[in-house]
Amino acid sequence: QKEVEQNSGPLSVPEGAIASLNCTYSDRGSQSFFWYRQYSGKSPELIMSIYSNGDKEDGRFTAQLNKASQYVSLLIRDSQPSDSATYLCAVYFGNEKLTFGTGTRLTIIP
Amino acid sequence: GAVVSQHPSRVICKSGTSVKIECRSLDFQATTMFWYRQFPKQSLMLMATSNEGSKATYEQGVEKDKFLINHASLTLSTLTVTSAHPEDSSFYICSATNRQGATGNTIYFGEGSWLTVV
Repeated sequence: QKEVEQNSGPLSVPEGAIASLNCTYSDRGSQSFFWYRQYSGKSPELIMSIYSNGDKEDGRFTAQLNKASQYVSLLIRDSQPSDSATYLCAVYFGNEKLTFGTGTRLTIIP
Repeated sequence: GAVVSQHPSRVICKSGTSVKIECRSLDFQATTMFWYRQFPKQSLMLMATSNEGSKATYEQGVEKDKFLINHASLTLSTLTVTSAHPEDSSFYICSATNRQGATGNTIYFGEGSWLTVV
């Protein structure tokens, strides 16, 4: 069974610091990786996608992918209280289905 | 951008009754729609995948006779929870895509529907 694993947290980070979120996946053949942010009681919203090894930056967000280690991470620089949410890692295993991790709950402390 | 709308956003029903949740793609034709369920503090669990005009494909462990999915048009899919029980209380989320081989950045999520069965 194809799996996506995340540390459930909660992860507490001071405002202005860097938040680091991690995710591992089971299928070495996976090609597409996504980070979603979900506020309590709301639907997920896509914040980053990454397909190639290395880093991808978008504003305060940086996604990092290491296919050899089957590891994908999300860094949030200059963390803001509005970044407090659950972050879901999702992997596309090539069967038209996204598989989500359990999510990491992030709290930014003012 | 593409928008997927769900209705109702919240519904309370009595145990034993059925409730229908609608998922509409507002500005694109959704060839495939996905239905997820999310219990508190847990991840999204895919329930079924539906393609317009054909029967839905259910994930292992999801009762197809209890969770009826209809994808009758390219803009509308419905999920009917039949003979609902309190353990069916959950957050139900649909998503839709208009692409073959959809990936995360071509799948659009609805706002979700909170179901409470009393």
